[in-house]
Amino acid sequence: AQSVTQLDSQVPVFEEAPVELRCNYSSSVSVYLFWYVQYPNQGLQLLLKYLSGSTLVKGINGFEAEFNKSQTSFHLRKPSVHISDTAEYFCAVRPNSGGSNYKLTFGKGTLLTVNP
Amino acid sequence: GAGVSQSPSNKVTEKGKDVELRCDPISGHTALYWYRQSLGQGLEFLIYFQGNSAPDKSGLPSDRFSAERTGGSVSTLTIQRTQQEDSAVYLCASSFGPGELFFGEGSRLTVL
Repeated sequence: AQSVTQLDSQVPVFEEAPVELRCNYSSSVSVYLFWYVQYPNQGLQLLLKYLSGSTLVKGINGFEAEFNKSQTSFHLRKPSVHISDTAEYFCAVRPNSGGSNYKLTFGKGTLLTVNP
Repeated sequence: GAGVSQSPSNKVTEKGKDVELRCDPISGHTALYWYRQSLGQGLEFLIYFQGNSAPDKSGLPSDRFSAERTGGSVSTLTIQRTQQEDSAVYLCASSFGPGELFFGEGSRLTVL
């Protein structure tokens, strides 16, 4: 089984400041890792994913994340945030093989609030 | 349609009533998921359909919950004898095999 811990439930920042949203996971098998974003009253949208290869992955809207296998982490970063980045961010994992490789397990989410 | 469509977007019901939530996935997507999003709890997996295979119902919280997928397309999630703890946003997602999930905007259920 897999589990995902998002260490901060809320992160307030000022516009143009850098931000890091933390994610740690636990799994007995190798996993793929994902970050999703949910804007108010909308569904989830894929921000970026790590499947293999370079541990630094870049996504939409200037976000990037780094996979650290030894620390079982997949933290999300952006060097300069905008008001429009205000949303809830979810980290998720999925086994990369085996019979349950379809099942995404999500963290509880981090609400990023960008203030002017 | 272009995306995953869910209806109703909002549903208010009285405790003890049955509700049906509908999901129309992206055309051609073989896999369909239901997740429940409760306040501060993240997303909880409910059920997974893949083609003609038997669905994975392991996430359904009780026997009051059931889901079906007709003709490999539209899915209906049914909650019988609703309870206040069933209040949540129910999200549907579809994918082509075990690929990227595309989510609908959800059905917000409020049980009074």
